[in-house]
Parts: sequence; structure tokens; C-alpha cells
Amino acid sequence: DAKTTQPNSMESNEEEPVHLPCNHSTISGTDYIHWYRQLPSQGPEYVIHGLTSNVNNRMASLAIAEDRKSSTLILHRATLRDAAVYYCILRVVNNAGNMLTFGGGTRLMVKP
Amino acid sequence: NAGVTQTPKFRVLKTGQSMTLLCAQDMNHEYMYWYRQDPGMGLRLIHYSVGEGTTAKGEVPDGYNVSRLKKQNFLLGLESAAPSQTSVYFCASSYTDAAAGPQHFGDGTRLSIL
Repeated sequence: DAKTTQPNSMESNEEEPVHLPCNHSTISGTDYIHWYRQLPSQGPEYVIHGLTSNVNNRMASLAIAEDRKSSTLILHRATLRDAAVYYCILRVVNNAGNMLTFGGGTRLMVKP
Repeated sequence: NAGVTQTPKFRVLKTGQSMTLLCAQDMNHEYMYWYRQDPGMGLRLIHYSVGEGTTAKGEVPDGYNVSRLKKQNFLLGLESAAPSQTSVYFCASSYTDAAAGPQHFGDGTRLSIL
């Protein structure tokens, strides 16, 4: 199964951009790259996903390396509300279907 | 905008007791999932369902059973609770295969087994 590697924690200043890296060197050609975040005492929240091309939505941007072995989640202007654990996830195929496997994630701390 | 609703939000059980956690979604999603999250760790998949009347095992299914009698509901049962099942349980749903679309999560059920 393809795995992801993320830094345990990162810090950012409020209103500055944040780049959250993720390495997935064993990704297969059909694996989607998903990002979720989890605020304290809440369930995970979908942020963005992509396959090959860079993606943008109202929450963030996803930059995918040309060889797909790494990706970066970009928060354009961090706010205090963006302090959360961010999970980079690849599809995991098992005998019965396509699941998402959550790793340890990156804890983002935002300083005022 | 209810989305995914989990009940109860908190529960304390004694070892050996049984209980059922209820998950309800109002988005007409086919896929539903139960995860557990232990302190300081990511989520692990317990069971999932790809449609009404179907269930399947995930990564950590032992000690749990599930049922999907109605499309909008997914029940997680603990027949004989053990302290190792103390955790936060999250339910999720998605309109399509998880690989291509987002999962929508509830706010969790915090379960303590004494």
C-alpha cells in the first residue's frame, strides 16, 4: 500500500501563506491524493483532492509534483481557525474496495 | 444542513456491557464508514458499507458489528465492551468511491469503557 510522510508539526504566523508538504514516493498511477483537516474535538473535514493537475478551491490549493511523488497543500492566508491536524491521504485498495487510510498528519499551529 | 449526525455524543460503559452507536446521513450517500481514533493517532477504519443491506470489514473490525438496514443509517454495535475499545468513534459518508470523492464526517462519539 502506498504510504505518505508528513512533518509532525509546523508553525505559521497569522495572515501569512502556509505550505504543508507530503511525500508519497510509492504512489501508483491511479491513486488520488486527498487532504483532510481535523480541528480540536471535531471530525475530519475534507479540504481538497487531486490526481495529476494542481487544484484550487475556496479553502486551499493543492500543488502536485510532476512525478506525483510529492504534493503540497497551500493555505494562502492562515487564520487562527486554520490551526488543526492536516492529513495527506492516498487511496488504499483492499480486497473489497477503495478506502482512505489516515496517518499521523501534520499539526499546524498558527500564531497571532 | 444536518449532514452526518452521530448519537450519542458521549457514553461511559462498564466492561462487558453492550451498546449501539447510531449514524444518520441526509445526503443520500451510498457509502458509509465507521472509524475509531485513539489519542494522538490518526483514524482507523472499522467497518464500511457500499450500499443499503451491505457491510464489509475494514482495518480493525474485531469486537464490532455493523448493520445498514436503511440507506441513511449505519449502526455500530459493541456486543461485549472492553477497555481497549475506549476511543472516539467517527462516522462518515460519501456519494461515491472514497478514492474519487470526499468523505463527510460526523462530530464523533466519545466512548469510555471502565
